[in-house]
Amino acid sequence: DQQVKQNSPSLSVQEGRISILNCDYTNSMFDYFLWYKKYPAEGPTFLISISSIKDKNEDGRFTVFLNKSAKHLSLHIVPSQPGDSAVYFCAASSLWNTPLVFGKGTRLSVIA
Amino acid sequence: KAGVTQTPRYLIKTRGQQVTLSCSPISGHRSVSWYQQTPGQGLQFLFEYFSETQRNKGNFPGRFSGRQFSNSRSEMNVSTLELGDSALYLCASSSDRQNTEAFFGQGTRLTVV
Repeated sequence: DQQVKQNSPSLSVQEGRISILNCDYTNSMFDYFLWYKKYPAEGPTFLISISSIKDKNEDGRFTVFLNKSAKHLSLHIVPSQPGDSAVYFCAASSLWNTPLVFGKGTRLSVIA
Repeated sequence: KAGVTQTPRYLIKTRGQQVTLSCSPISGHRSVSWYQQTPGQGLQFLFEYFSETQRNKGNFPGRFSGRQFSNSRSEMNVSTLELGDSALYLCASSSDRQNTEAFFGQGTRLTVV
């Protein structure tokens, strides 16, 4: 039973345009959500997070939106740069020290 | 501040053998989690240790085990290796509550032949 789903395995975007990566979750107990970026042969690096009391969090070119009623979150990257090409993982957890549950990832390719 | 260090980076073992992987968390971090990454499966949670105690456990067979030492360093062990255990094993550390930002090591690439 996959609690965190990233339904798009890959996404290609032109440099300078917006990249939108989507994530759906099924567990209504999740209240904290994170995005990680992973380059080949490296561990994932933390990108941005959002708690369920907010519906938007912004950090530079990266914005995460949370729609609790739809159990959906998205990561927007504007403008996209070639260095953003990586695999992006969505992760979620609940209040009580439960482990991070990861989606299967979306491979983003930003084309110059 | 040094990051999360995992050793070794690469490992080749044969079926039936056992393996031990090591993780040194960021100084001051008490929570260490282990994840398995296989192609198309994302990161699957193995277990988490906090102050030398296993706090959470994922849905993996008993061949997968771990421990944490008093200096927060952690090891995971896989016994009776199977071909399907070939994966990237990632360790993550966080300061306290597991669901805050976790910092990952570069991983250990295990190949079982």
